[in-house]
Amino acid sequence: AQSVTQLGSHVSVSEGALVLLRCNYSSSVPPYLFWYVQYPNQGLQLLLKYTSAATLVKGINGFEAEFKKSETSFHLTKPSAHMSDAAEYFCAVSDQDSGYSTLTFGKGTMLLVSP
Amino acid sequence: NAGVTQTPKFQVLKTGQSMTLQCAQDMNHNSMYWYRQDPGMGLRLIYYSASEGTTDKGEVPNGYNVSRLNKREFSLRLESAAPSQTSVYFCASSEQNRIGEKLFFGSGTQLSVL
Repeated sequence: AQSVTQLGSHVSVSEGALVLLRCNYSSSVPPYLFWYVQYPNQGLQLLLKYTSAATLVKGINGFEAEFKKSETSFHLTKPSAHMSDAAEYFCAVSDQDSGYSTLTFGKGTMLLVSP
Repeated sequence: NAGVTQTPKFQVLKTGQSMTLQCAQDMNHNSMYWYRQDPGMGLRLIYYSASEGTTDKGEVPNGYNVSRLNKREFSLRLESAAPSQTSVYFCASSEQNRIGEKLFFGSGTQLSVL
């Protein structure tokens, strides 16, 4: 089964600073990778997804992620953090078994943004 | 457009009580999912329904049952609630059950079992 590992349960940045949230995947085949965001008291929303069309994927709200096969990584970045980016971020991988597909999530990284 | 709607939003149960969490989507999606979210554990799949008339176990199905009532609705039942089932439950849907598909999530049900 495929899996993802998110490094760091909490990341703190200042407003205007670079955001870097780390995700490594384990997969024996080319993976489909996702980043989802969860704002307080809400469900998850898709930020971006990688489906092998391009290694640099741009998402909503200025976020982007780069797929690096040599490093088995799919880190999420944003050049300049806003207060509104404070949320929990989940990396996920799409897996398939016996003809069915499921989405497996990492444990999440809480992004804290200070003024 | 409501998307994925879950009821109730909050629930407190005593150990041994039963309850059903309701989920409905209005996007004409074929596939629906139930996840639970626990601190430090991320989201874990409980059950899913790839299409109307089918259901399958996910990673953590013990203590739960599901019913795909029709294409719109997918309910999750706790027959005899236990404190270990205290969690936030999310329902999700997707157009199809295929690799790389985007999931749409409801806003969650916060369940406490005392």
